[in-house]
Amino acid sequence: EVQLMESGGALVKPGRSLRLSCTGSGFTFADYAVNWFRQAPGKGLEWVGFVRNKAYGGTTVYAASVKDRFSFSRDDSKSIVYLQMNSLKTEDTAVYYCAREGLADVVFDYWGQGTLVTVSS
Amino acid sequence: DIQMTQSPSSLSASVGDRVTITCRASQNIRTYLNWYQQKPQKAPKVLMYAAASLQSGVPSRFSGSASGTNFTLTISSLQPEDFATYFCQQSYRTPFTFGPGTKVEI
Repeated sequence: EVQLMESGGALVKPGRSLRLSCTGSGFTFADYAVNWFRQAPGKGLEWVGFVRNKAYGGTTVYAASVKDRFSFSRDDSKSIVYLQMNSLKTEDTAVYYCAREGLADVVFDYWGQGTLVTVSS
Repeated sequence: DIQMTQSPSSLSASVGDRVTITCRASQNIRTYLNWYQQKPQKAPKVLMYAAASLQSGVPSRFSGSASGTNFTLTISSLQPEDFATYFCQQSYRTPFTFGPGTKVEI
């Protein structure tokens, strides 16, 4: 069974850093790009960015709202993608989801359950 | 960025009703359009991809169509488990963007 699980969400103060993890199972993790999304309380979905698989160089693309503050990395030996969040702002408060991107189509076919990040003093 | 709009923002319907949700892109996205269902406190679940392709495991009462920059999601006979919020999402160009959602209520 394909599964993704986020972890690492917490309450942090503005300006601090936090690292989230996305762990995959039930599929060949290394073959897939992984995207991150977030959803502020009561709001819609926002794409945060993605990290491609190693066959495509493991390249990363970020939304403008997080560029230069957030970064992705992946450890395919552990089936994990990390989201490093620096210089956190109150507007980064959200549930963060990771999702697998389909191989043939740009569609997010499996999602994790989400992890809550609260940025508040 | 490509802007996605949806209508209506919410609707009330009954079990057995036919429901149609519309999504519009601010520019041509060909058929790079996906639909997701989200229930409270749950992650989104993909229903349709490439505008009209049914995701594996999704009931056939869901269907999608495209006409230019306009897209529709249709539920042919609403079931109790379909009460949720529905989002469209374009995958034509980054940043991938979502519509604001349509809440389907009883």
